[in-house]
Amino acid sequence: DAGVIQSPRHEVTEMGQEVTLRCKPISGHDYLFWYRQTMMRGLELLIYFNNNVPIDDSGMPEDRFSAKMPNASFSTLKIQPSEPRDSAVYFCASRSGPGPGELFFGEGSRLTVL
Amino acid sequence: SQKIEQNSEALNIQEGKTATLTCNYTNYSPAYLQWYRQDPGRGPVFLLLIRENEKEKRKERLKVTFDTTLKQSLFHITASQPADSATYLCALALSTGGFKTIFGAGTRLFVKA
Repeated sequence: DAGVIQSPRHEVTEMGQEVTLRCKPISGHDYLFWYRQTMMRGLELLIYFNNNVPIDDSGMPEDRFSAKMPNASFSTLKIQPSEPRDSAVYFCASRSGPGPGELFFGEGSRLTVL
Repeated sequence: SQKIEQNSEALNIQEGKTATLTCNYTNYSPAYLQWYRQDPGRGPVFLLLIRENEKEKRKERLKVTFDTTLKQSLFHITASQPADSATYLCALALSTGGFKTIFGAGTRLFVKA
């Protein structure tokens, strides 16, 4: 299996631009998580989905952030407008089943907002 | 407030020694606790899971303890090797909403040959 696939791996953009990060979970996994990692704040949970439905978005920092999962094999995290403080590595992870099992992470999308 | 705390300072040890990393949490009641390894530029990789009613779990050179009274987990790597150098993250799997999983900031481990 290909694992969790994220794109782009690196994104550099200007403040105020829209950013869209993409994630393809492992086939058959029904939970999908979005995290953000910075040196200052560590790995923060932003939002997670079960069967394409958002379960908890309490970690989404502001209305500028939105996430969707239109089908079982694709999710997006959008930032509009982007700000320099959004610079971070964004990780997507997927999991099979409702239990507390292993999260499978993608390689991350490194976002730099100038 | 709710917190997960791991040693922010890096841990430096000599090859062959046992590395011990600490994870403390406040105002959470996790049903499970997990440990992950993260190498630079990569996503975290799962290592071990321990349930709240388990005191200790082992996997090869790894050992994890979970004390729900102290609200603490210890992660041990015995006979450490330079290849064990990485950042180690603890994660709490909360028994809400399909096991919401939240992470500590991680501890960087350096094993010197």
